[in-house]
Amino acid sequence: DTEVTQTPKHLVMGMTNKKSLKCEQHMGHRAMYWYKQKAKKPPELMFVYSYEKLSINESVPSRFSPECPNSSLLNLHLHALQPEDSALYLCASSQGGQTYNEQFFGPGTRLTVL
Amino acid sequence: TQLLEQSPQFLSIQEGENLTVYCNSSSVFSSLQWYRQEPGEGPVLLVTVVTGGEVKKLKRLTFQFGDARKDSSLHITAAQPGDTGLYLCAGLYSGGGADGLTFGKGTHLIIQP
Repeated sequence: DTEVTQTPKHLVMGMTNKKSLKCEQHMGHRAMYWYKQKAKKPPELMFVYSYEKLSINESVPSRFSPECPNSSLLNLHLHALQPEDSALYLCASSQGGQTYNEQFFGPGTRLTVL
Repeated sequence: TQLLEQSPQFLSIQEGENLTVYCNSSSVFSSLQWYRQEPGEGPVLLVTVVTGGEVKKLKRLTFQFGDARKDSSLHITAAQPGDTGLYLCAGLYSGGGADGLTFGKGTHLIIQP
């Protein structure tokens, strides 16, 4: 199984809402990632979890709150977002601990903030 | 800040033609990956190159890693409309572990039938 799944596929929320994005992998990977991708741009790294601990936070605003309940699951909690936060949010996973780092991406969640 | 220059950004060619996409950096990669992405979907991994001078083939796609591990290219032979999509190179600069990828800006490829 080389699949990373993400739910929901689409999400529309108001600026006062609280919502969560979910990501799951069953490849035994120990590193998981959140990326943000705006239209016609490459993905930009947001967070990295390694062995269930947050290892990288790319200066992401606190209205985005990541959580890694276990090695297979990764959540992104959203609160008080702005319209400019509308984007495709991608989750990825990798083995971790290797000299190279093949990352496998999920299909993404298309987020629209009204 | 590590930069990964990818060119061309846009390319529209006729079916059957050949093309090459380039990815360059002033820094050394520990590995480099090529992805293809369809609109509204996540990137799909095509190949990972690790060793300087390495060449990998995937059907009509040929991937090359520069000897100094600072550059890479993707060559498509006899392009087909199904090759249309966004091609992304992504580099890992560190010695390993869980680090985020640095992406090039991508090449939007359109193959006209």
